[in-house]
Amino acid sequence: EAQVTQNPRYLITVTGKKLTVTCSQNMNHEYMSWYRQDPGLGLRQIYYSMNVEVTDKGDVPEGYKVSRKEKRNFPLILESPSPNQTSLYFCASSRPPTGGGTEAFFGQGTRLTVV
Amino acid sequence: LAKTTQPISMDSYEGQEVNITCSHNNIATNDYITWYQQFPSQGPRFIIQGYKTKVTNEVASLFIPADRKSSTLSLPRVSLSDTAVYYCLVGGGISSGSARQLTFGSGTQLTVLP
Repeated sequence: EAQVTQNPRYLITVTGKKLTVTCSQNMNHEYMSWYRQDPGLGLRQIYYSMNVEVTDKGDVPEGYKVSRKEKRNFPLILESPSPNQTSLYFCASSRPPTGGGTEAFFGQGTRLTVV
Repeated sequence: LAKTTQPISMDSYEGQEVNITCSHNNIATNDYITWYQQFPSQGPRFIIQGYKTKVTNEVASLFIPADRKSSTLSLPRVSLSDTAVYYCLVGGGISSGSARQLTFGSGTQLTVLP
């Protein structure tokens, strides 16, 4: 089954304690990205990657890091989490839209609470 | 990326056809129109995508007039489980619905009543 898998689904942590949210896709997609969703602010892109070792900032990259060492994995790293990073996070993947449009597949989400 | 405007909310009853219209006056020549559905605390799910005229799949139809300045998502015979937020996205090139860049607006909260 084609899917994007995020872990953990829920996480409560303390300010300053480094954490990693993993994302893995089994569709051999080149493109992957991370979004956060907050009430009243909608979905905002954090980082994206167009292929292995190619990453770039989205709209709200501050406080986050990513890496793309393998095509299937795109972890999101919070080096020193702060309460304003409490949010619902989604990972997405897709193939490039060669010759037309394409569709993105999203993970189930990770609800992060930083206290 | 073209800005989109959708109604904030809509109510419908089970079994009715629902039409959600999205305005995108500044759509560019190479832009595609993509609709996503999102249930609470779940990731958005692709519904349908089109460039012009009409596109139909097993869950919805997408109507795009000749000037492409708007589009209408049509959901036939909705059920309670169709209650969700529906997003209209417009983008072209590498943003044609790809994970490279998806710009979500506020979406339309559809509530299906029994």
